[in-house]
Amino acid sequence: DQQVKQNSPSLSVQEGRISILNCDYTNSMFDYFLWYKKYPAEGPTFLISISSIKDKNEDGRFTVFLNKSAKHLSLHIVPSQPGDSAVYFCAAPDGGSSNTGKLIFGQGTTLQVKP
Amino acid sequence: GAGVSQSPRYKVAKRGQDVALRCDPISGHVSLFWYQQALGQGPEFLTYFQNEAQLDKSGLPSDRFFAERPEGSVSTLKIQRTQQEDSAVYLCASSLVLAFNEQFFGPGTRLTVL
Repeated sequence: DQQVKQNSPSLSVQEGRISILNCDYTNSMFDYFLWYKKYPAEGPTFLISISSIKDKNEDGRFTVFLNKSAKHLSLHIVPSQPGDSAVYFCAAPDGGSSNTGKLIFGQGTTLQVKP
Repeated sequence: GAGVSQSPRYKVAKRGQDVALRCDPISGHVSLFWYQQALGQGPEFLTYFQNEAQLDKSGLPSDRFFAERPEGSVSTLKIQRTQQEDSAVYLCASSLVLAFNEQFFGPGTRLTVL
């Protein structure tokens, strides 16, 4: 049972435009979400997070939106840059924000930003 | 660098061989996690240590998988009698305290079982 789902395996956008990466979850107990970015041959690196008490969190060019009723979150990158080309993973701590640190990841979306 | 390191970076094993994968966490980090990432999938949790204590091993797929962290620093993931379905990237992550948003990942070990 996939509790965190990223249904789009890949996304291609033009440099300077907006990239929108989507993530759905099934477990209503999840109350904290994270986005990780992964370059080839490297480990994932933390990008941005959001608590369920918020519906938006912004950090520079990156904004995450959370729609709890729809169990959906999205990552917006504006403007997109070629260096943003990577695999993006959505993740949630199993057991919520008070858990042991065990993260449940989505399948990932490969973003390609074309110059 | 002061990041998480893993060795070897690549390992090819014949089916039935035993393998050992090493993780050197960031110095002073209390928590250490192992994840398995199959091709085209996201990382999946295997096990978690706090110092030398293995507090959660619920993700280990079978009793062929064993992890240890005897001195609360370096950790080793051992897989006995490897099978083709064990082929994956094995990621190690560490964190200073028990804070999931501060997990720092190593580059992973890519295991291929022939």
